[in-house]
Amino acid sequence: DAGITQSPRHKVTETGTPVTLRCHQTENHRYMYWYRQDPGHGLRLIHYSYGVKDTDKGEVSDGYSVSRSKTEDFLLTLESATSSQTSVYFCAISELGTSGRIADEQFFGPGTRLTVL
Amino acid sequence: AQRVTQPEKLLSVFKGAPVELKCNYSYSGSPELFWYVQYSRQRLQLLLRHISRESIKGFTADLNKGETSFHLKKPFAQEEDSAMYYCALNSRRGSTLGRLYFGRGTQLTVWP
Repeated sequence: DAGITQSPRHKVTETGTPVTLRCHQTENHRYMYWYRQDPGHGLRLIHYSYGVKDTDKGEVSDGYSVSRSKTEDFLLTLESATSSQTSVYFCAISELGTSGRIADEQFFGPGTRLTVL
Repeated sequence: AQRVTQPEKLLSVFKGAPVELKCNYSYSGSPELFWYVQYSRQRLQLLLRHISRESIKGFTADLNKGETSFHLKKPFAQEEDSAMYYCALNSRRGSTLGRLYFGRGTQLTVWP
């Protein structure tokens, strides 16, 4: 497995509380992504980063914010968790290929299972 | 807009039977398509990419631009093929450079 870890791996929280999920990589890859995985929806991109302090929204970014202050860490924050944010969250990374183009393969972390009561 | 459609949420076959997981896409350009797989309790991982035209674990997928499809096929399914399969499209245009768009996934079960 690529050197990607996520913490915590499981979390139960209450509606209205802030939650921060961490993705840590040891591959020095430039691009990092946060997805959520829900039955019937597959993987949906929340936010992504194309460098330190460079982030952009994905298709389901409402209610989420991210920060990337250093290459190896990408944080996902739920400012005020809601039950609709109960999901499994995956982090992924990718890098430029040898041709200089963005590599097509993304490497995924083990996931964080978040339950919002 | 980019879109990936996997029409089957669930697919069951018996061991030794052929299997085909369907994927259709919508993209105004030259698509780059992939199949990712997630085995039980494991991380999502790349299975194959259309550009390399390879066969991985007996699976193949051919890009059909006329039908905008990228179906995943295997002539003889094995029990260890049971997993969730995701079709994905790589967007390389403008601000979406480097993003993968995933289908909703197909859960394949291979019965003994």
